[in-house]
Amino acid sequence: SSDLTQDPAVSVALGQTVKITCQGDSLRSFYASWYQQRPGQAPILLIYGENNRPSGVPDRFSGSRSGNTASLTITGAQAEDEADYYCNSRDNSGHSRDSTVNRLVFGGGTKLTVL
Amino acid sequence: EVQLVESGGGLVQPGTSLRLSCAASGFTFDDYAMHWVRQRPGKGLEWVSGISWNSAIIGYADSVKGRFTISRDNAKNHVQLQMDGLRPEDSAFYFCAKDRNYILDAFEIWGQGQMVTVSS
Repeated sequence: SSDLTQDPAVSVALGQTVKITCQGDSLRSFYASWYQQRPGQAPILLIYGENNRPSGVPDRFSGSRSGNTASLTITGAQAEDEADYYCNSRDNSGHSRDSTVNRLVFGGGTKLTVL
Repeated sequence: EVQLVESGGGLVQPGTSLRLSCAASGFTFDDYAMHWVRQRPGKGLEWVSGISWNSAIIGYADSVKGRFTISRDNAKNHVQLQMDGLRPEDSAFYFCAKDRNYILDAFEIWGQGQMVTVSS
């Protein structure tokens, strides 16, 4: 089982907006990062921190957080966005200082289908 | 160009050992934490182990704690994962990943991965 919970599958119509969620206690303390993985490829970092995109990531991808839930929103989904999406965060269980965190966790992943 | 190149994967018998290596280039290696992440066929991502820039912070998933050891050599720009007491459930694709931070945080750049198969 994962410390972060994601819906196994989500679908969206081409050009529409979709939100992929990630729930877990660690998200009350830390932001989630989001990754896209296409079949047979290594994952790609999409979002980190409050809502930051690495260079090259389209601006239709955005992130947010509320309580223990983080969300990845794709505004105007494209066919090439069909992929698996994973969240991850730091886990500070048992650590008094954030800088000493030594455990990271992933969500179970969400398979996005673009219809 | 940032590159991570893994090596050392293969087919081994249960109970034996294997060492994965990851050669890094294109960035200041000793400024960043490094990780190993695995993915069993058809399954999700699982963080295996991470090591901070100066090796002061090291962490392991519960599933590998006591069997796997991560280390880094900042002079040679590489990170290794020593895997002992391998089990069939350790069979997976193993990715080396560069953190976006000097402490354990998130996975900014990924290698292409190495397959490890544990079977008799």
